[in-house]
Amino acid sequence: GAGVSQSPSNKVTEKGKDVELRCDPISGHTALYWYRQSLGQGLEFLIYFQGNSAPDKSGLPSDRFSAERTGGSVSTLTIQRTQQEDSAVYLCASSLWTGLSNQPQHFGDGTRLSIL
Amino acid sequence: SQQGEEDPQALSIQEGENATMNCSYKTSINNLQWYRQNSGRGLVHLILIRSNEREKHSGRLRVTLDTSKKSSSLLITASRAADTASYFCATDTPNDYKLSFGAGTTVTVRA
Repeated sequence: GAGVSQSPSNKVTEKGKDVELRCDPISGHTALYWYRQSLGQGLEFLIYFQGNSAPDKSGLPSDRFSAERTGGSVSTLTIQRTQQEDSAVYLCASSLWTGLSNQPQHFGDGTRLSIL
Repeated sequence: SQQGEEDPQALSIQEGENATMNCSYKTSINNLQWYRQNSGRGLVHLILIRSNEREKHSGRLRVTLDTSKKSSSLLITASRAADTASYFCATDTPNDYKLSFGAGTTVTVRA
């Protein structure tokens, strides 16, 4: 079956503009994660959705960042009034949820965001 | 914040040699996972080892976990050019399923 799909793959925008990044998880995966990866760095957790539970937003760096997940499937990450420090690769991952233990996460190829 | 730290940051080896990288973490964990990332791509899950396990194998991969030292190692045997990638360890803690990733080890396998 299809893997995690992210769009766009690249996005260049001017400072101050809003951007929307999209993630289509693997069908049947109830857990969905957003991460940010700066050049040569590891992954920084942003937000986590699990089923109908309230999302864990503890990793969002500022109130300019928000995310939603409609119908328990597709998710969008929105960054308002973008700043140059927002430039990074934004990765989405999904996984099965057993409620007992962590499951391997399946990643999309990311959206490379460049703020001019 | 990043809990895992990989060592070394970069590794260059000849095809056919073994590659070993280490991961250290700070707090008690539930599981430790290793992922691979090829340039410009997302991460691919390699192996998961639980806190009550000490060693796990998958093909040419061998992972060890020493909870007393809060460290793990990933060994890739008989490396191939296709193993060139960055390798990340990720941990999750009891009652928190979020993964915390290290900064990764970049492995280059020379033909």
